[in-house]
Amino acid sequence: ETGVTQTPRHLVMGMTNKKSLKCEQHLGHNAMYWYKQSAKKPLELMFVYSLEERVENNSVPSRFSPECPNSSHLFLHLHTLQPEDSALYLCASSQGRVAYGYTFGSGTRLTVV
Amino acid sequence: AQKVTQAQTEISVVEKEDVTLDCVYETRDTTYYLFWYKQPPSGELVFLIRRNSFDEQNEISGRYSWNFQKSTSSFNFTITASQVVDSAVYFCALSEALGAGNNRKLIWGLGTSLAVNP
Repeated sequence: ETGVTQTPRHLVMGMTNKKSLKCEQHLGHNAMYWYKQSAKKPLELMFVYSLEERVENNSVPSRFSPECPNSSHLFLHLHTLQPEDSALYLCASSQGRVAYGYTFGSGTRLTVV
Repeated sequence: AQKVTQAQTEISVVEKEDVTLDCVYETRDTTYYLFWYKQPPSGELVFLIRRNSFDEQNEISGRYSWNFQKSTSSFNFTITASQVVDSAVYFCALSEALGAGNNRKLIWGLGTSLAVNP
């Protein structure tokens, strides 16, 4: 496989559930990102990992918990979410944090019921 | 503060028409990058172009062209002879420096949804 792969593509979860989103990149990049895309809002950068270390957390509620076990994998653990958390969650990777050459995955469409 | 404005929320054209997507930005950085990404219905954001703030040359890639004008802080994107496959949401973005060094983050516009009808 090449590029950035995200699973699952769609997820419906109740507010009391615990689930995880997975992102895998096969590009040899050393930085990975979680973005949230909601209707009528700019893309929101949630977390940045560089060399497997979290370097940025943009005031994201603690019900979202990222994990980066190695430079190829990134997870977003979800628990006790709210309906307003329903959105498209996009993973991206890049070589360095120079903000060019981002490669995005296809996203996970999350619906919280 | 850095900001990207895409004033056109939705555009609908008939196939083979030319269409221009507008992007206006604000920044105090002297060195910055501008980007266009395409998001088809499948969801992934596809990189189209990056432009360095020191390079104002217009660029053409097939049916796509970009007009960068620093004087008006605009980076507009034109699709010539549009096709149904061009239907997507198009995002303009600006890179913002994060202190010293090369670390940057992207500031995104809200996107323009383009529908090309047969």
